[in-house]
Amino acid sequence: ETGVTQSPTHLIKTRGQQVTLRCSSQSGHNTVSWYQQALGQGPQFIFQYYREEENGRGNFPPRFSGLQFPNYSSELNVNALELDDSALYLCASSLALGPYEQYFGPGTRLTVT
Amino acid sequence: KNQVEQSPQSLIILEGKNCTLQCNYTVSPFSNLRWYKQDTGRGPVSLTIMTFSENTKSNGRYTATLDADTKQSSLHITASQLSDSASYICVVIPVGGSQGNLIFGKGTKLSVKP
Repeated sequence: ETGVTQSPTHLIKTRGQQVTLRCSSQSGHNTVSWYQQALGQGPQFIFQYYREEENGRGNFPPRFSGLQFPNYSSELNVNALELDDSALYLCASSLALGPYEQYFGPGTRLTVT
Repeated sequence: KNQVEQSPQSLIILEGKNCTLQCNYTVSPFSNLRWYKQDTGRGPVSLTIMTFSENTKSNGRYTATLDADTKQSSLHITASQLSDSASYICVVIPVGGSQGNLIFGKGTKLSVKP
């Protein structure tokens, strides 16, 4: 186990709804990154948070938003869900910015119907 | 465009056999290359991390090699076990890149049969 936890483990939503996914980073880690992994694909970077500020964003629309809290836990919010949003959502924490080792959580499986 | 290509896409081997997974990349320059193991529906777990100057790195039955000249890396699994069944993902971090710049391959799905 990496010490990174995510909730919920599974989620089913309908198109147009909104969803919030949560991530608790490993103790001592101040950087959290979120990824979307479609079936059979590698993870795609959504965005990264460092000390409560967004520090880089991938090619995802604004309806994907996030937060990082003072304890460095994080949320991923997705509005106006689309069928293509169905995926495994992974968060990964690391000690700081830079090419440090990333520790991934178990992921949240989101299904949009 | 920076890319990471893995082969084969999937592989089936018998328990106890060895196998080698390939990773070709165009990312240059890069700071390090990583191999992750991902069980179905779970998050990736790091197996090895190599800087551009390293040629080989071992972690138990897993040995990763890197040839920066040909831009190729391989992951060799020795004496496979049923628990090795998973996807293996090659990841490259460009120089100056943070976690957000990680470039992931699509992975090789390995099935180990008894």
